[in-house]
Parts: sequence; C-alpha cells; structure tokens
Amino acid sequence: KAGVTQTPRYLIKTRGQQVTLSCSPISGHRSVSWYQQTPGQGLQFLFEYFSETQRNKGNFPGRFSGRQFSNSRSEMNVSTLELGDSALYLCASSYQGNTEAFFGQGTRLTVV
Amino acid sequence: ELKVEQNPLFLSMQEGKNYTIYCNYSTTSDRLYWYRQDPGKSLESLFVLLSNGAVKQEGRLMASLDTKARLSTLHITAAVHDLSATYYCAAPQTQTGANNLFFGTGTRLTVIP
Repeated sequence: KAGVTQTPRYLIKTRGQQVTLSCSPISGHRSVSWYQQTPGQGLQFLFEYFSETQRNKGNFPGRFSGRQFSNSRSEMNVSTLELGDSALYLCASSYQGNTEAFFGQGTRLTVV
Repeated sequence: ELKVEQNPLFLSMQEGKNYTIYCNYSTTSDRLYWYRQDPGKSLESLFVLLSNGAVKQEGRLMASLDTKARLSTLHITAAVHDLSATYYCAAPQTQTGANNLFFGTGTRLTVIP
C-alpha cells in the first residue's frame, strides 16, 4: 500500500513569489492535513481538509491556503513568500480524520 | 488555544538505562499521539492512545495516558542506540480528531553507548 506522497521534495523560491505544494494521501483516506516544521516554532498545524472542505484551521495568516480535490489529493498554496516561510511542510492523511494520521516525507521550502 | 508541553527538551542517556518523557496538554481530550522523527526524515507514528488509562507497549517503549491529569508519558526501558531520535507527543484540536494535531516541542533523545 503506497504511503503519503508529497511533491516536490525540495523547492527554492524568491521572496514575494508564490508556491504550490502537492499531497497525495494513502488510498481510501479522505482527511488531509498540512503542518509546518521550523527550528524556531516546531511543528505547527496549518489546516485540515475532509471531503473537499476545510474542516479545521490553525493560526496562520491568509497567505496560507489549501484545497482538496474529489480524489482527496490536496494542494497547499503560500502567496507573497517571506523568508520566515522557509520550512519543512508535512502532509498527513487519515481515513476519517479521527484515528491515526500518517505523514509524508515532506517538502523542504527555502525562500531566498 | 491548545498547548502541549513536553519535557525534557533534551535527553542524553546511556545504553541500558531507563527514562520517562512527559507530555502535558491544556484541553480536555481523550486521545494522545506519540511520533518519532529521525534527522531529515518525516514523522513515524509510534502510539495512538484513545482513552483514559490506555497503555501501549512496543519493544522498549511504553506509552500511557491519564486524561484526568492531562498527562501522557513515554517510558524508555533499557535504552539502545537505535532509539536515538526526536520524540513528539501531540493532542488533537478537536475532541475526536487525529488529523488536526498540536505538537509538543519534542524531546531529542541521544543514547550513548
């Protein structure tokens, strides 16, 4: 059974640009969440999508947005990138969002 | 906002010794999760604790949950070098959630031969 797949694995962007990250959940999983990991702030919850609807949201500015497609794949978008957005972005999938969450390998975003 | 506190932040222990990592969380939740992260890698699920008094063991690791005290512990027995990693506890934002987790600061464990 394939795990959670995130693309791309590494990304370098310039301040002010925007970026889109992709996450394909485990087959059959309908809940997809996004997390940001930085050395200073640790692991922080961004948002959760279930059946194409945002179900829960963390404490991040509106520059961070996401969406989920009918096949449960999810994308995360960050607009007007700032240096502080440099982080490892992790995606996690869960069957209904209420049991166990499995994480992808992450996308390492560097903003220069 | 939900707060999850973990201690210690750093733990250096000799092989063969025992130790406990503590995790406190600020809201009522009947579930708690433990993850392991190796350097440069993603998060690996270790334990899912779904009720008060839950205890789970896997090898040299044992996790427990006391929802009344809002406390979970991860006990390491007879540590070996392979256990060196960062360990995170996490509690869900919603009562029944698993995929809206608030994480502790992590405990970086180093096991010294």
